[in-house]
Amino acid sequence: AQKITQTQPGMFVQEKEAVTLDCTYDTSDQSYGLFWYKQPSSGEMIFLIYQGSYDEQNATEGRYSLNFQKARKSANLVISASQLGDSAMYFCAIANQAGTALIFGKGTTLSVSS
Amino acid sequence: DTAVSQTPKYLVTQMGNDKSIKCEQNLGHDTMYWYKQDSKKFLKIMFSYNNKELIINETVPNRFSPKSPDKAHLNLHINSLELGDSAVYFCASSQGFRASGNTIYFGEGSWLTVV
Repeated sequence: AQKITQTQPGMFVQEKEAVTLDCTYDTSDQSYGLFWYKQPSSGEMIFLIYQGSYDEQNATEGRYSLNFQKARKSANLVISASQLGDSAMYFCAIANQAGTALIFGKGTTLSVSS
Repeated sequence: DTAVSQTPKYLVTQMGNDKSIKCEQNLGHDTMYWYKQDSKKFLKIMFSYNNKELIINETVPNRFSPKSPDKAHLNLHINSLELGDSAVYFCASSQGFRASGNTIYFGEGSWLTVV
């Protein structure tokens, strides 16, 4: 069965620094997709970035990039030049075995200080 | 324009009551979902519908009943509310029902508190 593991309950970083949020996954599928979402304190879930298992390049979206290492089954989110507004909970997710819904990790709380 | 909107945003109700949460998406998506986020922030799929047809019905008590009158709407009705139902309920939608490659967009969440 699909599984997502986020081992960092909390991360702390200073403004303008880069930070890496870890995500490892387990799947028996050859084709799969990995997602990252941000949940600020206001509660909404914001889609950040997607990585397909057959994508040749690591995904990037503005200051967000994925360090995708297929052999290690990891899909770490890298946030460059952190901003105060990046303080939030971050969730990694993978589609379930039927491909009909996302399975989420437990999340990592990121705190950015000035 | 809010892409996925759900109402109410906050709901405080007594045990035993029946309540509904409404959800609408204006993205033209075929698939809609209900997710539950518990007090530890753990998110879990409850239901999904594709073009008004039920695709997923996870292990959810029968007191929870989704209804999709059309593909733009997916409402959640909860009977005989219990304290353990207190959570944030997220509606979401995606273009197709194959989650890999189809980004799921979430509403702002409905905070349900049962007292």
